[in-house]
Amino acid sequence: DVQLTQSPSSLSASVGDRVTISCRASQDINNYVAWFQQKPGKAPKSLIYAASSLQSGVPSRFSGSGSGTDFTLTIDSLQPEDFATYYCQQYNTYPLTFGGGTQVEIK
Amino acid sequence: QLLLQEPGPGLLKPSETLSLTCAVSGGSVGTTNYYWAWFRQTPGKGLEWIGSFYYNGIVYYNPSLKSRVNIYADLSKNQFSLNLTAVTAADTATYYCDGGTGPRTVMSWGQGARVTVS
Repeated sequence: DVQLTQSPSSLSASVGDRVTISCRASQDINNYVAWFQQKPGKAPKSLIYAASSLQSGVPSRFSGSGSGTDFTLTIDSLQPEDFATYYCQQYNTYPLTFGGGTQVEIK
Repeated sequence: QLLLQEPGPGLLKPSETLSLTCAVSGGSVGTTNYYWAWFRQTPGKGLEWIGSFYYNGIVYYNPSLKSRVNIYADLSKNQFSLNLTAVTAADTATYYCDGGTGPRTVMSWGQGARVTVS
Protein backbone atom coordinates (compact mmCIF):
# COMPACT_ATOMS: atom_id res chain seq x y z
CA ASP A 1 0.00 0.00 0.00
CA VAL A 2 1.12 3.59 -0.62
CA GLN A 3 1.76 5.32 2.69
CA LEU A 4 1.08 9.06 2.83
CA THR A 5 2.81 11.00 5.58
CA GLN A 6 1.38 14.42 6.30
CA SER A 7 3.19 17.08 8.28
CA PRO A 8 2.66 18.79 10.54
CA SER A 9 -0.16 16.89 12.24
CA SER A 10 -1.42 20.20 13.62
CA LEU A 11 -0.55 23.85 13.43
CA SER A 12 -1.71 27.12 14.91
CA ALA A 13 -2.01 30.13 12.63
CA SER A 14 -3.58 33.55 12.51
CA VAL A 15 -6.00 35.02 10.01
CA GLY A 16 -3.95 36.35 7.12
CA ASP A 17 -1.09 33.88 7.56
CA ARG A 18 0.30 31.70 4.79
CA VAL A 19 0.06 28.02 5.66
CA THR A 20 1.80 25.09 4.00
CA ILE A 21 1.02 21.42 4.57
CA SER A 22 3.23 18.63 3.33
CA CYS A 23 2.27 15.19 2.06
CA ARG A 24 4.98 12.64 1.29
CA ALA A 25 4.24 9.37 -0.48
CA SER A 26 6.15 6.12 0.04
CA GLN A 27 6.43 5.71 -3.75
CA ASP A 28 5.92 7.71 -6.94
CA ILE A 29 2.22 8.42 -7.38
CA ASN A 30 2.33 10.27 -10.70
CA ASN A 31 0.68 13.45 -9.39
CA TYR A 32 -2.55 11.60 -8.64
CA VAL A 33 -3.04 13.49 -5.40
CA ALA A 34 -6.16 15.18 -4.08
CA TRP A 35 -6.50 17.47 -1.10
CA PHE A 36 -9.59 17.64 1.08
CA GLN A 37 -10.85 20.00 3.76
CA GLN A 38 -12.99 18.64 6.57
CA LYS A 39 -14.84 20.56 9.26
CA PRO A 40 -16.24 18.90 12.41
CA GLY A 41 -19.31 16.79 11.71
CA LYS A 42 -19.07 17.36 7.96
CA ALA A 43 -17.95 15.29 5.01
CA PRO A 44 -14.57 15.97 3.42
CA LYS A 45 -14.69 18.55 0.66
CA SER A 46 -12.42 18.30 -2.34
CA LEU A 47 -10.09 21.27 -2.88
CA ILE A 48 -7.39 20.11 -5.28
CA TYR A 49 -7.02 17.26 -7.77
CA ALA A 50 -4.09 16.08 -9.87
CA ALA A 51 -1.74 17.68 -7.33
CA SER A 52 -2.28 21.27 -8.49
CA SER A 53 -5.68 21.72 -10.14
CA LEU A 54 -8.28 23.67 -8.21
CA GLN A 55 -11.77 22.20 -7.95
CA SER A 56 -14.53 24.42 -9.28
CA GLY A 57 -15.73 26.93 -6.71
CA VAL A 58 -12.69 26.64 -4.44
CA PRO A 59 -11.11 30.01 -3.56
CA SER A 60 -7.87 30.82 -5.34
CA ARG A 61 -6.02 31.25 -2.02
CA PHE A 62 -5.77 27.44 -2.05
CA SER A 63 -3.07 25.94 -4.23
CA GLY A 64 -1.31 22.62 -4.60
CA SER A 65 2.10 21.74 -5.89
CA GLY A 66 4.57 18.91 -6.09
CA SER A 67 5.35 15.83 -8.10
CA GLY A 68 6.53 12.27 -7.67
CA THR A 69 6.47 11.71 -3.94
CA ASP A 70 6.40 15.18 -2.37
CA PHE A 71 3.32 17.37 -2.44
CA THR A 72 2.25 20.59 -0.75
CA LEU A 73 -1.03 22.35 -0.05
CA THR A 74 -0.69 26.09 0.46
CA ILE A 75 -3.29 28.46 1.82
CA ASP A 76 -2.46 32.09 1.15
CA SER A 77 -3.97 34.60 3.56
CA LEU A 78 -5.79 32.19 5.89
CA GLN A 79 -9.44 33.08 6.42
CA PRO A 80 -11.64 32.29 9.46
CA GLU A 81 -13.56 29.66 7.46
CA ASP A 82 -10.30 27.82 6.65
CA PHE A 83 -9.80 26.50 10.17
CA ALA A 84 -10.35 22.78 9.62
CA THR A 85 -8.54 19.50 9.11
CA TYR A 86 -6.84 18.86 5.76
CA TYR A 87 -6.12 15.48 4.19
CA CYS A 88 -4.18 14.36 1.16
CA GLN A 89 -5.30 11.30 -0.81
CA GLN A 90 -3.54 9.32 -3.52
CA TYR A 91 -5.59 7.77 -6.30
CA ASN A 92 -2.74 6.42 -8.37
CA THR A 93 -2.76 2.93 -6.92
CA TYR A 94 -5.29 0.66 -5.22
CA PRO A 95 -5.95 0.61 -2.33
CA LEU A 96 -6.60 4.35 -2.28
CA THR A 97 -5.00 5.86 0.81
CA PHE A 98 -5.08 9.06 2.83
CA GLY A 99 -2.63 10.98 4.92
CA GLY A 100 -3.22 11.23 8.64
CA GLY A 101 -4.53 14.79 8.46
CA THR A 102 -3.36 18.25 9.49
CA GLN A 103 -5.50 20.20 11.91
CA VAL A 104 -5.29 23.96 11.34
CA GLU A 105 -6.22 25.83 14.51
CA ILE A 106 -6.62 29.46 15.39
CA LYS A 107 -3.63 30.99 17.15
CA GLN B 1 -23.61 19.37 -9.50
CA LEU B 2 -23.46 15.87 -8.11
CA LEU B 3 -25.41 15.30 -4.91
CA LEU B 4 -25.09 12.08 -2.96
CA GLN B 5 -27.13 10.97 0.03
CA GLU B 6 -26.57 7.89 2.13
CA PRO B 7 -29.00 7.50 5.07
CA GLY B 8 -27.78 4.78 7.41
CA PRO B 9 -29.17 2.18 9.82
CA GLY B 10 -27.57 3.81 12.84
CA LEU B 11 -27.13 0.81 15.15
CA LEU B 12 -26.22 -2.78 14.31
CA LYS B 13 -25.42 -5.84 16.37
CA PRO B 14 -22.21 -7.81 15.90
CA SER B 15 -22.40 -10.38 13.07
CA GLU B 16 -25.17 -8.45 11.26
CA THR B 17 -24.82 -7.08 7.73
CA LEU B 18 -24.41 -3.36 7.16
CA SER B 19 -26.34 -2.16 4.11
CA LEU B 20 -26.01 1.39 2.84
CA THR B 21 -27.38 2.96 -0.31
CA CYS B 22 -26.18 6.15 -1.94
CA ALA B 23 -28.77 8.03 -4.00
CA VAL B 24 -27.27 10.11 -6.79
CA SER B 25 -28.77 13.25 -8.26
CA GLY B 26 -27.30 15.66 -10.76
CA GLY B 27 -25.64 12.80 -12.60
CA SER B 28 -26.07 9.19 -13.63
CA VAL B 29 -24.43 6.14 -12.08
CA GLY B 30 -24.06 4.74 -15.58
CA THR B 31 -22.22 7.77 -16.97
CA THR B 32 -19.09 6.98 -18.95
CA ASN B 33 -15.83 7.68 -17.15
CA TYR B 34 -17.37 8.15 -13.70
CA TYR B 35 -16.35 6.32 -10.53
CA TRP B 36 -18.42 5.62 -7.42
CA ALA B 37 -16.88 4.77 -4.09
CA TRP B 38 -17.36 4.12 -0.40
CA PHE B 39 -15.13 5.34 2.41
CA ARG B 40 -15.33 5.27 6.17
CA GLN B 41 -13.82 7.32 8.94
CA THR B 42 -13.01 6.48 12.53
CA PRO B 43 -11.16 8.54 15.13
CA GLY B 44 -8.55 5.83 15.45
CA LYS B 45 -7.85 4.83 11.83
CA GLY B 46 -8.76 8.05 10.04
CA LEU B 47 -10.13 7.90 6.51
CA GLU B 48 -10.25 4.45 4.93
CA TRP B 49 -11.20 3.50 1.39
CA ILE B 50 -13.63 0.56 1.19
CA GLY B 51 -14.09 0.10 -2.54
CA SER B 52 -14.85 1.68 -5.90
CA PHE B 53 -16.68 0.73 -9.04
CA TYR B 54 -16.72 2.22 -12.50
CA TYR B 55 -19.36 2.76 -15.15
CA ASN B 56 -18.04 -0.28 -17.05
CA GLY B 57 -18.71 -2.61 -14.14
CA ILE B 58 -15.14 -2.97 -12.86
CA VAL B 59 -14.99 -3.07 -9.07
CA TYR B 60 -12.04 -2.69 -6.70
CA TYR B 61 -12.09 -3.49 -3.00
CA ASN B 62 -9.75 -2.75 -0.13
CA PRO B 63 -7.93 -6.06 0.48
CA SER B 64 -8.44 -5.63 4.23
CA LEU B 65 -12.22 -5.78 3.74
CA LYS B 66 -12.57 -7.68 0.47
CA SER B 67 -13.91 -10.91 1.97
CA ARG B 68 -16.84 -9.07 3.55
CA VAL B 69 -17.68 -6.30 1.06
CA ASN B 70 -19.95 -6.06 -1.95
CA ILE B 71 -20.53 -2.84 -3.90
CA TYR B 72 -23.07 -2.73 -6.69
CA ALA B 73 -25.22 -0.33 -8.65
CA ASP B 74 -28.92 -0.10 -9.46
CA LEU B 75 -29.01 1.92 -12.67
CA SER B 76 -32.82 2.04 -12.72
CA LYS B 77 -32.83 3.84 -9.37
CA ASN B 78 -29.62 5.79 -10.03
CA GLN B 79 -28.04 4.60 -6.82
CA PHE B 80 -25.25 2.38 -5.62
CA SER B 81 -24.98 0.28 -2.51
CA LEU B 82 -22.56 -1.18 0.02
CA ASN B 83 -22.99 -4.42 1.90
CA LEU B 84 -20.54 -5.27 4.68
CA THR B 85 -21.13 -8.64 6.30
CA ALA B 86 -20.29 -9.96 9.77
CA VAL B 87 -19.76 -6.55 11.33
CA THR B 88 -17.88 -6.10 14.57
CA ALA B 89 -17.22 -3.14 16.84
CA ALA B 90 -14.23 -2.33 14.62
CA ASP B 91 -16.68 -1.44 11.84
CA THR B 92 -18.15 1.39 13.92
CA ALA B 93 -17.54 4.46 11.79
CA THR B 94 -19.04 7.22 9.70
CA TYR B 95 -19.54 5.89 6.17
CA TYR B 96 -19.37 8.16 3.14
CA CYS B 97 -20.23 7.62 -0.48
CA ASP B 98 -18.29 9.50 -3.14
CA GLY B 99 -18.57 9.92 -6.86
CA GLY B 100 -17.09 11.84 -9.72
CA THR B 101 -15.13 11.77 -12.91
CA GLY B 102 -12.22 9.40 -13.37
CA PRO B 103 -9.73 12.28 -13.64
CA ARG B 104 -11.29 13.74 -10.45
CA THR B 105 -12.30 17.02 -12.10
CA VAL B 106 -15.51 16.46 -10.17
CA MET B 107 -15.61 14.84 -6.72
CA SER B 108 -18.66 14.87 -4.52
CA TRP B 109 -19.13 13.22 -1.13
CA GLY B 110 -22.36 12.36 0.62
CA GLN B 111 -23.06 13.85 4.03
CA GLY B 112 -22.11 10.65 5.84
CA ALA B 113 -23.92 7.95 7.77
CA ARG B 114 -22.88 7.20 11.32
CA VAL B 115 -22.96 3.49 12.08
CA THR B 116 -22.44 1.95 15.51
CA VAL B 117 -21.93 -1.78 16.07
CA SER B 118 -22.78 -2.80 19.61
